[in-house]
Amino acid sequence: KAGVTQTPRYLIKTRGQQVTLSCSPISGHRSVSWYQQTPGQGLQFLFEYFSETQRNKGNFPGRFSGRQFSNSRSEMNVSTLELGDSALYLCASSHAGGNTDTQYFGPGTRLTVL
Amino acid sequence: ILNVEQSPQSLHVQEGDSTNFTCSFPSSNFYALHWYRWETAKSPEALFVMTLNGDEKKKGRISATLNTKEGYSYLYIKGSQPEDSATYLCAFYAGRRALTFGSGTRLQVQP
Repeated sequence: KAGVTQTPRYLIKTRGQQVTLSCSPISGHRSVSWYQQTPGQGLQFLFEYFSETQRNKGNFPGRFSGRQFSNSRSEMNVSTLELGDSALYLCASSHAGGNTDTQYFGPGTRLTVL
Repeated sequence: ILNVEQSPQSLHVQEGDSTNFTCSFPSSNFYALHWYRWETAKSPEALFVMTLNGDEKKKGRISATLNTKEGYSYLYIKGSQPEDSATYLCAFYAGRRALTFGSGTRLQVQP
């Protein structure tokens, strides 16, 4: 079974630009969660999607948005990039997003904002 | 804001040593605790999902215990090997389908 894939793996953008990251979950998984990791911070929860609906959102500004398609693939968008958005963005998929569901992580997208 | 704390922050041990780390979490409104291992340049890998007070899980040389009443979990590694070198993360699930992660314990095992 193929694992979670994320594209692109690396991205360099400048302040003010916008960026879209993509995540393809494990086949059969319907829940996709997104996390941000910055130096000195643990993994911070961004949002979770299930069946094309956002079910939960973390404490991030509205510049961070996402969506999920009918095939469970998910995209995350960050508009008006700031230097502080430089981070590793991880997505994780699980069967249904329940509290005992194991989340399977992708390799991440390393975003650098100059 | 949920606080999940892990200690120590980092640990250097010799090959063959046994070691353990702690994860502390709020004891109220507990649903589940997840442990992950994150090796450099790889994806975080799930180790255990623990839900019941007194739960003990084992995977090879790694085991974990859970105390939901006092809000802590221990991860033990018996006979550490260099390939155990990684950051070990715990994540607390308090519902709302969001895991709150600790900042991790970085383990370095010297051959």
